[in-house]
Formats: sequence, structure tokens, C-alpha cells
Amino acid sequence: GDSVTQMEGPVTLSEEAFLTINCTYTATGYPSLFWYVQYPGEGLQLLLKATKADDKGSNKGFEATYRKETTSFHLEKGSVQVSDSAVYFCALSGATNKLIFGTGTLLAVQP
Amino acid sequence: EAGVTQFPSHSVIEKGQTVTLRCDPISGHDNLYWYRRVMGKEIKFLLHFVKESKQDESGMPNNRFLAERTGGTYSTLKVQPAELEDSGVYFCASSRQGQRNTEAFFGQGTRLTVV
Repeated sequence: GDSVTQMEGPVTLSEEAFLTINCTYTATGYPSLFWYVQYPGEGLQLLLKATKADDKGSNKGFEATYRKETTSFHLEKGSVQVSDSAVYFCALSGATNKLIFGTGTLLAVQP
Repeated sequence: EAGVTQFPSHSVIEKGQTVTLRCDPISGHDNLYWYRRVMGKEIKFLLHFVKESKQDESGMPNNRFLAERTGGTYSTLKVQPAELEDSGVYFCASSRQGQRNTEAFFGQGTRLTVV
């Protein structure tokens, strides 16, 4: 069945460092891909999405490109801030809009 | 516009007891989903309502779990009797009916601890 594999955490970075969180997927058909973020004490929020191959999703300085050839959707940010500390989830959905998530990656950004 | 609301935010119960979780979706959202994250693992789909009908309940772990959505508004998820492995964070999400890839909005989750 469909699945998502993402980088194990926790990831600890200093402020202004470059961030990459790897995500690969297995799916039949042409899924949509998402990154969700959960800040401390809050619910899941959609960070960005891409609905077809080569699309780039971007928001709040984060970017991810839908790579069909490598079945990947890696999350990147050029310069992280302390306020980016959160748990990041990669996810996919097919025709039913049901989301399939990865295990989540805890990011801790230190000042 | 109010977001997705879940109640309670935390619940600690003893093994064998019953717990009922509630989710109030965003008004006008026909789709309602339940998900669960067990300690440190991935968030897993439990079930999907379209209005009051169960569209997909393939993720429900066993018959100790019962979900309802009377009148197509709020939903409840009852666990009876609760077991230790039911501990985790239960998320509810809602979205509009219609086109594919409609954004799902999540609640803050209910953290359930079974002791």
C-alpha cells in the first residue's frame, strides 16, 4: 500500500542554519504531497503542498519539490529561526483525500 | 471562522474504562476524518465521514472503537473498553466536499492515556 518515509529526528540546528528534512513516498497513481507542521501546544497545520510532478510548494520560507523520478518531497529552508521549532510531517493523499503520514521529524532550533 | 475543536484536550483513564472523544468540525465541512498518533510513530488514518455516512472506516483498529456523526455535524469517537495500547493523540480534521486535494484543517488533538 501507499506509504511515506521521512527522516528520523530529532534534528537540532543553530539559528540561520540550512534545513533539509528528507521525505520519500511509495504510491500507486499520482498522489498529492504535503508537509504539515505541529508547533508546541497546537494542532497540525498545512505548511505547503504540491499536486503534480515538478510542482514546488512554498510557504514561510520553506520549499519542497515534487520529484516523481526519485519519489521524493524533501523539505528545505535556507535560514531557520527559533520559531520554526516544531514537528514536521510529510504526507500524501490519493483520490479519497485520506492522508498517509510519515513518522514526523522533531526540529529544534537553538539561538 | 472557528477552527476544528476537539474535547477533551487530555484524558487519563484506567484500562477497561470507556472514553468518548468529541470533534466539532468547521461549519459547512462535509468531510470529517479521525486520525491517531501512537507514541512517536506516524499519524494513522482511522475513518472518514461524509456528512453522517461512514465513507471509509478501514483504519479502525478493532470493534472497541465506535465513531458516530449524528446529523452530519459533530462527531464522537468512543473507546470501550480502553486498553493500554489505545494511548496516543487522536486528531480530527475536516474539509469541504468537492474537488480533490481540498485542504484538511486539523484540531489540536486529544491526548489519551490509558493506565
